[in-house]
Amino acid sequence: QVQLQESGPGLVKPSETLSLSCTVSGGSISSDYWSWIRQPPGKGLEWIGYIYYSGSTRYNPSLKSRVTMSVDTSKKQFSLKVTSVTAADTAVYFCARSLSGTDDAFDVWGQGTVVTVSS
Amino acid sequence: SYELTQSLSVSVALGQTARITCGGNNIGNKNVHWYQQKPGQAPVLVIYRDDNRPSGIPERFSGSNSGNTATLTISRAQAGDEADYYCQVWDSSTAPFGTGTRVTVL
Repeated sequence: QVQLQESGPGLVKPSETLSLSCTVSGGSISSDYWSWIRQPPGKGLEWIGYIYYSGSTRYNPSLKSRVTMSVDTSKKQFSLKVTSVTAADTAVYFCARSLSGTDDAFDVWGQGTVVTVSS
Repeated sequence: SYELTQSLSVSVALGQTARITCGGNNIGNKNVHWYQQKPGQAPVLVIYRDDNRPSGIPERFSGSNSGNTATLTISRAQAGDEADYYCQVWDSSTAPFGTGTRVTVL
């Protein structure tokens, strides 16, 4: 079955760019929709956005100006960049799959990776 | 943006029934998904499209959705059901989550 694994730096300085990748194993990346979701310490879940294998994207309007997602089908990876980070971007970042972009549940999740924004 | 409101916490006696609600404007017209999250773990899908259980999820978990409220019901609650539960929908191609409900099994 499909498995997801996040990777990237655990510490990012304020005003810099957060960069994470998610590797897909056990299935194809060339179908389905791939999302990033984050959870600040002690708080709830926030959807960041999704990317389709073709490269089409949809972002949370609250983050849209700072977020970019991309996909590399040859590596079976999709990526997240968040620019101009502040302490408010400190969170556990999850990657997840949904079978369709705008109606299906997130049925597969990565284990999550902790990102701390601090100097 | 579409807002989903959940009660902060629910307590249930061992073996009894817990009901977790998710409020949203005309949420009955949307497909609602529910996730269980235990401390330090990724969320797990327990109900999709209002009332469907993924394979491996016990029949004790059920869902309903009508009007302005969706409900996740946990029957015969067990200690292992203690967790945070989140509802989620799709609205205008975005995916808001509910505020989350902490379920405590007494």
